Amino acid sequence: KAGVTQTPRYLIKTRGQQVTLSCSPISGHRSVSWYQQTPGQGLQFLFEYFSETQRNKGNFPGRFSGRQFSNSRSEMNVSTLELGDSALYLCASSFAGGGNEQFFGPGTRLTVL
Amino acid sequence: DQQVKQNSPSLSVQEGRISILNCDYTNSMFDYFLWYKKYPAEGPTFLISISSIKDKNEDGRFTVFLNKSAKHLSLHIVPSQPGDSAVYFCAASREGAQKLVFGQGTRLTINP
Repeated sequence: KAGVTQTPRYLIKTRGQQVTLSCSPISGHRSVSWYQQTPGQGLQFLFEYFSETQRNKGNFPGRFSGRQFSNSRSEMNVSTLELGDSALYLCASSFAGGGNEQFFGPGTRLTVL
Repeated sequence: DQQVKQNSPSLSVQEGRISILNCDYTNSMFDYFLWYKKYPAEGPTFLISISSIKDKNEDGRFTVFLNKSAKHLSLHIVPSQPGDSAVYFCAASREGAQKLVFGQGTRLTINP
């Protein structure tokens, strides 16, 4: 089985712009979660989608949003980018959510200038 | 608040010896725990997990121990190999909540 894929792998944006990141989960996995990794805050949960519905949300401002499509692929969007949004954004998929193991993609490295 | 803590930012172990990585948590509602390994510029790789109904789970060279009363878990790697050099994260979740809470990570270096 192919693993979780994320595109693009690297992205450079300027403050005020918006960005869309994409994630394709492992075939058969219906739950997709997004995490942000920064040196200062570590790995932090953004949100989780299951069957096109957001089920869980972390403590991030409304500038961070996401969606999931009927084929389980997911996108996350960050509007009005700030310097502090520079991070590695990781997507993880699992079969059904709950306590099941999550499998991560390689991440998208976003740099905001 | 840091609900999952890995108090050792780094650990150095000789090849062939045992590596023990520790993790503490504060939220007693957590009932599922996982360990991930991460190389630079890659996503975390799932290693092993344990449910709160168990106190030990083994998978090859990796064993995770859970002490619920102490809210402590540990990952044992025996024997340690150079390819084990990476950052290790412990994570915790509540059953039914697809949200992993991660520790800050421990950088493990295996010396030849």
